[in-house]
Amino acid sequence: ELKVEQNPLFLSMQEGKNYTIYCNYSTTSDRLYWYRQDPGKSLESLFVLLSNGAVKQEGRLMASLDTKARLSTLHITAAVHDLSATYFCAVASPAYSGAGSYQLTFGKGTKLSVIP
Amino acid sequence: ETGVTQTPRHLVMGMTNKKSLKCEQHLGHNAMYWYKQSAKKPLELMFVYNFKEQTENNSVPSRFSPECPNSSHLFLHLHTLQPEDSALYLCASQPVAGSTYEQYFGPGTRLTVT
Repeated sequence: ELKVEQNPLFLSMQEGKNYTIYCNYSTTSDRLYWYRQDPGKSLESLFVLLSNGAVKQEGRLMASLDTKARLSTLHITAAVHDLSATYFCAVASPAYSGAGSYQLTFGKGTKLSVIP
Repeated sequence: ETGVTQTPRHLVMGMTNKKSLKCEQHLGHNAMYWYKQSAKKPLELMFVYNFKEQTENNSVPSRFSPECPNSSHLFLHLHTLQPEDSALYLCASQPVAGSTYEQYFGPGTRLTVT
């Protein structure tokens, strides 16, 4: 059974600071996704990481994937209040063999609060 | 706007009621998913449909009954639910052909069982 662990689960940080959220997973996968969820809203796709060493950046967020270590990181640079949300990582495994559809196993999410 | 819509957005129902949740996507995707998100647990996969065929039932109680009449529509029929079924129910769709297999989520239905 694939397990996905995120840490920290809660993160309170000041504006302007840097921090990293970690996502560890238990079995081999080369597909990892980061989503953002605002309170009462749905999940918004942030990054899709498809290979070992993949790095994606968008604004103040940068995500990376190390498939050998089964680890992805989401790095926040110079945080601003607008980044306050819950961030989920999700690891893909085939829903069934040869179908082309994938089951996502989600971490518990990291609730980020950026304080002015 | 993700292109995946869900109705209703909020639903309150008694334990003896029967109701249905609807999900619709016009993104040309062929795989659709139901997830449950509650305060106590992370996102839990419930059902997977691929080209209208159910391919995954993640040990979901029979009081939840999915239906996928075509690749664009997905329903979740609810009957005799329990209070612990109160949660946010999210629908997602995914292109089967394509390199990312990214899932696109709808806004969710907030369900309260009284």
